[in-house]
Amino acid sequence: NAGVTQTPKFQVLKTGQSMTLQCAQDMNHNSMYWYRQDPGMGLRLIYYSASEGTTDKGEVPNGYNVSRLNKREFSLRLESAAPSQTSVYFCASGQRGGVTGELFFGEGSRLTVL
Amino acid sequence: DAKTTQPTSMDCAEGRAANLPCNHSTISGNEYVYWYRQIHSQGPQYIIHGLKNNETNEMASLIITEDRKSSTLILPHATLRDTAVYYCIVRAINTGFQKLVFGTGTRLLVSP
Repeated sequence: NAGVTQTPKFQVLKTGQSMTLQCAQDMNHNSMYWYRQDPGMGLRLIYYSASEGTTDKGEVPNGYNVSRLNKREFSLRLESAAPSQTSVYFCASGQRGGVTGELFFGEGSRLTVL
Repeated sequence: DAKTTQPTSMDCAEGRAANLPCNHSTISGNEYVYWYRQIHSQGPQYIIHGLKNNETNEMASLIITEDRKSSTLILPHATLRDTAVYYCIVRAINTGFQKLVFGTGTRLLVSP
């Protein structure tokens, strides 16, 4: 049971380059999320998709775009990377509508922008 | 959503109980208390949640005070693998997970 899978795990970009972080979950969850985590800080929500076909901005959406490709997949795109986007990115999924409160996270994607 | 307050760091000896406190004095009647932890470099992991009764699972116990203004996560026999950042979060019933606000948590260090 893979859970939440993120690719790539590591990436180095130059300023201005673009890239897409991929996320897939196999738990049939309706909601998916992208977070970033900077050193010594908590997780900050970038974008989320409450259900297939919908996306919404989180706390720090500037510089990012997302696509909910289908129920399983939710991608995060950096169109023109900046050094301030150097961070660890986590994808998560959960089943909205219940009270279980269990959000499942991927292992993270470590991005460095030079 | 209610805010939470946790100590920045705590230490615990291996094999002893780790008691991690959380203050959520502004919690509303429909808000649950959730605990997650994040082991170094990994994604956060759900531990336990509760509304007003004490809860126990294979990982931990959650003790919520009668007035629900504070709670304690208990790891009964801490191991070195329990060294992690522990997040206490409150979330209203049936709201989306975007309402889960991960602060800076408590950094628990379990030592031999």
